[in-house]
Amino acid sequence: GESVGLHLPTLSVQEGDNSIINCAYSNSASDYFIWYKQESGKGPQFIIDIRSNMDKRQGQRVTVLLNKTVKHLSLQIAATQPGDSAVYFCAETTNTNAGKSTFGDGTTLTVKP
Amino acid sequence: DTEVTQTPKHLVMGMTNKKSLKCEQHMGHRAMYWYKQKAKKPPELMFVYSYEKLSINESVPSRFSPECPNSSLLNLHLHALQPEDSALYLCASSQESFSGRDNEQFFGPGTRLTVL
Repeated sequence: GESVGLHLPTLSVQEGDNSIINCAYSNSASDYFIWYKQESGKGPQFIIDIRSNMDKRQGQRVTVLLNKTVKHLSLQIAATQPGDSAVYFCAETTNTNAGKSTFGDGTTLTVKP
Repeated sequence: DTEVTQTPKHLVMGMTNKKSLKCEQHMGHRAMYWYKQKAKKPPELMFVYSYEKLSINESVPSRFSPECPNSSLLNLHLHALQPEDSALYLCASSQESFSGRDNEQFFGPGTRLTVL
């Protein structure tokens, strides 16, 4: 149930497996990145963020990895649960575009019980 | 209260109608945002208000007119819309509009707009 490196529009995993959702960004000047979760009928919800001076940050069951060399961001979800089923977006911002976040294409995660 | 509320939840309007979308937050945030989201696509930024002043307009057509009456409220006035404007309109707020610091945006549930 993992995909490494490649952005996939959909990802299906078994409950309890780990999930990896990938995102490529284009602006090398981006210095702040956020992962959002959007459930059906709701607005995006903040999951975790990372600044460009870090390459890894951990939260509860989630880890974000940043590879600035290849402009790649990933979200790892441990022990995926049915409640994790949603669309996941990464977003990038730069210091020069105060307030402007650019969202990447989302990945729809489906967790099978 | 960490909630952003939006009304109405759904809106159907004709191309000659005038309507308004409303957004409210009581978190003391000084930045508020409007996004447009088409089905299965990421949100696209439309406007940013910082301290009740418009700071970013992403070349949005004039048939969309934002207004920030006070620090808690954000409106989006709609007039002479086109069917392709049908989308989910999301409002968000954050403490400040500056990037480069942790500045989580809190999103409302959105208004589902259909233009006939």
